[in-house]
Amino acid sequence: SYVLTQPPSVSVAPGQTARITCGGNNIGSKGVHWYQQKPGQAPVLVVYDASDRPSGIPERFSGSNSENTATLTISRLEAGDEADYYCQVWDVTSDHPWVFGGGTKLTVL
Amino acid sequence: EVQLVESGGGSVQPGGSLRLSCAASGFTFSSHSFSWVRQAPGKGLEWVSYISSSSPTIFYTDSVQGRFTISRDNAKNSLYLQMNSLRGEDTAVYYCARVHESRLDYMDVWGKGTTVTVSS
Repeated sequence: SYVLTQPPSVSVAPGQTARITCGGNNIGSKGVHWYQQKPGQAPVLVVYDASDRPSGIPERFSGSNSENTATLTISRLEAGDEADYYCQVWDVTSDHPWVFGGGTKLTVL
Repeated sequence: EVQLVESGGGSVQPGGSLRLSCAASGFTFSSHSFSWVRQAPGKGLEWVSYISSSSPTIFYTDSVQGRFTISRDNAKNSLYLQMNSLRGEDTAVYYCARVHESRLDYMDVWGKGTTVTVSS
């Protein structure tokens, strides 16, 4: 089955830019989606198709996807961005196609 | 307001059963596919099961195949997960998630979750 690898944690100062990576074999050929989960809350879709934002998500959230790494970028970091972030792809070749990365804890210093 | 509300969680002994429900409102339920996604305590997200909008196509993750059954009632705007032969490793928060209407590959709306605890 397809495996997505995320760093367990990322720490960035307020006002700076956070980058969270998601590695996978030829992930650049897949649609990558990102979810934010704050403590005790449900996940929220923040980026889909690697770089598009649902309505209501700030422009500070963006992303990219190339070759074997997808990246979620959060600029002008705020304290409220502190959360767990999960990448997700759909592996059409699998019989359990919805695959999540292990998650990254973003700490705003 | 688009909303998903799960219910039916609780504490159960190993080998027991539970039926989770997810009530949808604020959108056309019958037009969407849905998934159940779970999160064990302190762990990441794990996709569990999927049901399509009509003539249902259904998928399960390997660990629940044969024990869990996903279903839907479009007349009641509701999604269900029947969980039998529960094990300790099924302990988790279970989220109902709406699949994007024209896409299959991501979930655009999530409920707040319901907690399932399997323990003797």
